[in-house]
Amino acid sequence: GNSVTQMEGPVTLSEEAFLTINCTYTATGYPSLFWYVQYPGEGLQLLLKATKADDKGSNKGFEATYRKETTSFHLEKGSVQVSDSAVYFCAQTGANNLFFGTGTRLTVIP
Amino acid sequence: DAMVIQNPRYQVTQFGKPVTLSCSQTLNHNVMYWYQQKSSQAPKLLFHYYDKDFNNEADTPDNFQSRRPNTSFCFLDIRSPGLGDAAMYLCATSRVNDYYNEQFFGPGTRLTVL
Repeated sequence: GNSVTQMEGPVTLSEEAFLTINCTYTATGYPSLFWYVQYPGEGLQLLLKATKADDKGSNKGFEATYRKETTSFHLEKGSVQVSDSAVYFCAQTGANNLFFGTGTRLTVIP
Repeated sequence: DAMVIQNPRYQVTQFGKPVTLSCSQTLNHNVMYWYQQKSSQAPKLLFHYYDKDFNNEADTPDNFQSRRPNTSFCFLDIRSPGLGDAAMYLCATSRVNDYYNEQFFGPGTRLTVL
């Protein structure tokens, strides 16, 4: 079946540090892959997406590459800011559904 | 701007007192979803509408119902809220026949049950 496994948090980084949040998936077929971000008290916002192998999604300095050979979609950012503190969810498409990972809480300290 | 709107943002109800949460969208999307998100957990799909067709998840309790009177609006009814139903409720939409199945989320309604 379809599932998403995400790096457990919480993750605490200093401002300007490098960020990696690991995400791997299992799927039948070739799903689209997403990273959503949830700021405190808010709903989910799409951060970036990739729809086929080797696609790179990018937004606001965040990047993730769809790696079919390793079934991974790791999120990276070269220099995090305090405003990036949030919960990050990796997700993949199913049939009229999204399969979410459990979320990774990121805290960036000045 | 096209968007997904949820009202109210915060809802307090009493144990066993029916409550209705509202979602509207200006995206003209065919599919609307309701998710339940408990603290520090991933969103859990309760059900979705594909146009007027209602699709319930197998493990959604009977206590949760939904109505979609038109394309723009969708309601979540909790008939007899229990303490365990306290959560954030997220509404989302997507286009039919969208291979990417990108979902657009509202800001959520945080439900407190006293």
